[in-house]
Amino acid sequence: RKEVEQDPGPFNVPEGATVAFNCTYSNSASQSFFWYRQDCRKEPKLLMSVYSSGNEDGRFTAQLNRASQYISLLIRDSKLSDSATYLCVVRLNQAGTALIFGKGTTLSVSS
Amino acid sequence: NAGVTQTPKFQVLKTGQSMTLQCAQDMNHNSMYWYRQDPGMGLRLIYYSASEGTTDKGEVPNGYNVSRLNKREFSLRLESAAPSQTSVYFCASSEALGGYQPQHFGDGTRLSIL
Repeated sequence: RKEVEQDPGPFNVPEGATVAFNCTYSNSASQSFFWYRQDCRKEPKLLMSVYSSGNEDGRFTAQLNRASQYISLLIRDSKLSDSATYLCVVRLNQAGTALIFGKGTTLSVSS
Repeated sequence: NAGVTQTPKFQVLKTGQSMTLQCAQDMNHNSMYWYRQDPGMGLRLIYYSASEGTTDKGEVPNGYNVSRLNKREFSLRLESAAPSQTSVYFCASSEALGGYQPQHFGDGTRLSIL
């Protein structure tokens, strides 16, 4: 079983739609969780960290379910500029450096 | 704000040639990393440096060496390039290891080995 699994998509949605991405991780010792965004042929950029209580940043909401080892990202009111690949990222323990990246979910928002 | 700067942006090598990928960050970060990204794969860690003077292997270190030249610079060397090393290489840095320290990435080096 892969350590971090994501539905690769692509998700094709119209502007204004709400879209949700899911991610599962296999190692219960995972401690820190992130969503990164990667535009085509560009570097990954941190979108948001994901905390146990869940957190929101504007149109983006991230949730963590440690019992089910599941992370989600919800994007409301999608914009054309949201088109990108969204990477689910997990760190295995607080002291270690190992960030494990999922392969990413591709989102395409159309007008 | 330069952030993390990688050179070169593109490179084509022949099998067996050697080269060094350069990375520098201007954020006064302690930790630096080298990743590779292949089609259909997530980013994979090659080597990292927790702080100046230390380096450690990541998930896929074979065929590579690194040097943490100073706090700002972290280079990746391919001693004898192989076609399997054709990839996009990203350097990243963070203030420290662990926790919720975000990693900041350079814009990548696209390396092709013929």
